[in-house]
Amino acid sequence: GAVVSQHPSWVICKSGTSVKIECRSLDFQATTMFWYRQFPKQSLMLMATSNEGSKATYEQGVEKDKFLINHASLTLSTLTVTSAHPEDSSFYICSALAGGPNTQYFGPGTRLTVL
Amino acid sequence: AQSVTQPDIHITVSEGASLELRCNYSYGATPYLFWYVQSPGQGLQLLLKYFSGDTLVQGIKGFEAEFKRSQSSFNLRKPSVHWSDAAEYFCAVGNTNAGKSTFGDGTTLTVKP
Repeated sequence: GAVVSQHPSWVICKSGTSVKIECRSLDFQATTMFWYRQFPKQSLMLMATSNEGSKATYEQGVEKDKFLINHASLTLSTLTVTSAHPEDSSFYICSALAGGPNTQYFGPGTRLTVL
Repeated sequence: AQSVTQPDIHITVSEGASLELRCNYSYGATPYLFWYVQSPGQGLQLLLKYFSGDTLVQGIKGFEAEFKRSQSSFNLRKPSVHWSDAAEYFCAVGNTNAGKSTFGDGTTLTVKP
């Protein structure tokens, strides 16, 4: 149980284009999902908290107009990187809360490369 | 503010040897504590968690961790390491604020044959 998927697993795009990443909870409903960014050999940096049916809560320093988050259903949250630039290249990971307080189940991650 | 320290950036052990990964936390109340493992290019997998009760917690893949309030520690242990355990390990502490967790910087485990 508590499986989270992400799609795509990797994506390469041109600078200036937008990219959408999906995060799905496959066997449970998640009112809260999180989006992280991870640089090589570093820990996870929380970008935002995604709550079903309401606006996402962004961490300090994260541009909400740059990283659009939509949590339209209890099983799906999406992260759209708008007007992507090479510095947005990173590993993006989502997680969903389930199975007890603060217990997060993670997706496999999406590798974004912006050329 | 809560924080997590993993003092060891990189640990190398021989296959079959015992393992202990250190984790120290700072939190004002009784913490929720977690250990996750991440293989290269993958997401994080939950190994075990502590909320309350028995301070020795058993997890998957033969891992266990012990919560020691007096030392503010939650060290991860395994009696006999397998080559497949080579990965990045993250300790995390959660609070009651919207389910967020704070992650340590991680410890890279290398297993020698």
